[in-house]
Amino acid sequence: NAGVTQTPKFQVLKTGQSMTLQCAQDMNHEYMSWYRQDPGMGLRLIHYSVGAGITDQGEVPNGYNVSRSTTEDFPLRLLSAAPSQTSVYFCASSPQGPLNTEAFFGQGTRLTVV
Amino acid sequence: GIQVEQSPPDLILQEGANSTLRCNFSDSVNNLQWFHQNPWGQLINLFYIPSGTKQNGRLSATTVATERYSLLYISSSQTTDSGVYFCAVGYGLTFGKGTHLIIQP
Repeated sequence: NAGVTQTPKFQVLKTGQSMTLQCAQDMNHEYMSWYRQDPGMGLRLIHYSVGAGITDQGEVPNGYNVSRSTTEDFPLRLLSAAPSQTSVYFCASSPQGPLNTEAFFGQGTRLTVV
Repeated sequence: GIQVEQSPPDLILQEGANSTLRCNFSDSVNNLQWFHQNPWGQLINLFYIPSGTKQNGRLSATTVATERYSLLYISSSQTTDSGVYFCAVGYGLTFGKGTHLIIQP
């Protein structure tokens, strides 16, 4: 089992560029989510999905889009990157939703927008 | 939204010492988890503990849901325990700002 896999691990973007952060899990988990972590802060929820075809916004959704076409994959899209989106991004999954079981996190993607 | 406060923000201990980390939350929750973020940034789930007490080796946790707090105990600290400890609660996991723990040899 690979668990939760995020790619890439590092990325530098220019302001205005677009990109997709990939997240895949091989544990057949229904619930997946994206967080960002800024220096000295805890993680903040961007978007989440309770199953294929269902997504919803978290605390800080502006500037990000998500989709969930399969159980395994939950990509995060930045349509027009801004310096304020410089952060470390974490993807997480759990079997039945965040209320019932523990969450498993990927290794993170460190994104710099210049 | 729900507020999560962790204390202390920073803690420096010698190897072998014991420590208690606290997490206070502002509303009733039926989900509380403790995570360890190691110096390489990896987040590891330590406990899923919405109420009661759990133990895993040198680590244990207690959540008193009615009083809206949780405690993480680390006994006989090792240098590998260094990192940031996060408490996260609720649906979608609202995180505290963490306790930065440094264990010195």
